[in-house]
Amino acid sequence: KAGVTQTPRYLIKTRGQQVTLSCSPISGHRSVSWYQQTPGQGLQFLFEYFSETQRNKGNFPGRFSGRQFSNSRSEMNVSTLELGDSALYLCASSLTRETEAFFGQGTRLTVV
Amino acid sequence: QKEVEQNSGPLSVPEGAIASLNCTYSDRGSQSFFWYRQYSGKSPELIMSIYSNGDKEDGRFTAQLNKASQYVSLLIRDSQPSDSATYLCAVFTSGTYKYIFGTGTRLKVLA
Repeated sequence: KAGVTQTPRYLIKTRGQQVTLSCSPISGHRSVSWYQQTPGQGLQFLFEYFSETQRNKGNFPGRFSGRQFSNSRSEMNVSTLELGDSALYLCASSLTRETEAFFGQGTRLTVV
Repeated sequence: QKEVEQNSGPLSVPEGAIASLNCTYSDRGSQSFFWYRQYSGKSPELIMSIYSNGDKEDGRFTAQLNKASQYVSLLIRDSQPSDSATYLCAVFTSGTYKYIFGTGTRLKVLA
């Protein structure tokens, strides 16, 4: 059974640019959550999608957005990148909203 | 008070010993509890889930939940150097309907 797939694995962007990250959940999983992980802040919740609807959102500025498609694949977008956006971005999928969540390998974003 | 609290460590134990990792949470309505292991530079990997009071064993791992004390722990028996990692406690909160992660406890198993 394939796991959660995130692409790309690594990204280097310049301040002011925008970036789109992709997440393909485990087959059959309908809930996809996104997290930002930095050494100082740990895992910070960005947002959760279930059945193509954003169900929950963390305390991040509006530059961070996402969406989920009918096949449960999800994308997150960060516009007007700042140096502080450099982090490991993790996607996790679960069968339902409250069951075990499985993480992808993450996308490491570096903003220069 | 943080929603999910863990001692950051590092917790150092000798090889073969029992490592005990602890986590407290603030939302009494929390329903689901998870332990993840994260190696440096890698993504979190689910180790255990526990939903009801008591112990749950899986191989060398035992999760313990006490909802009255709002406390969940992970015991690792016969610790191996390969167990050296950061262990994240996660709690699914019914109030906000999302997972809350602790900042993790770094475990070092000394050969």
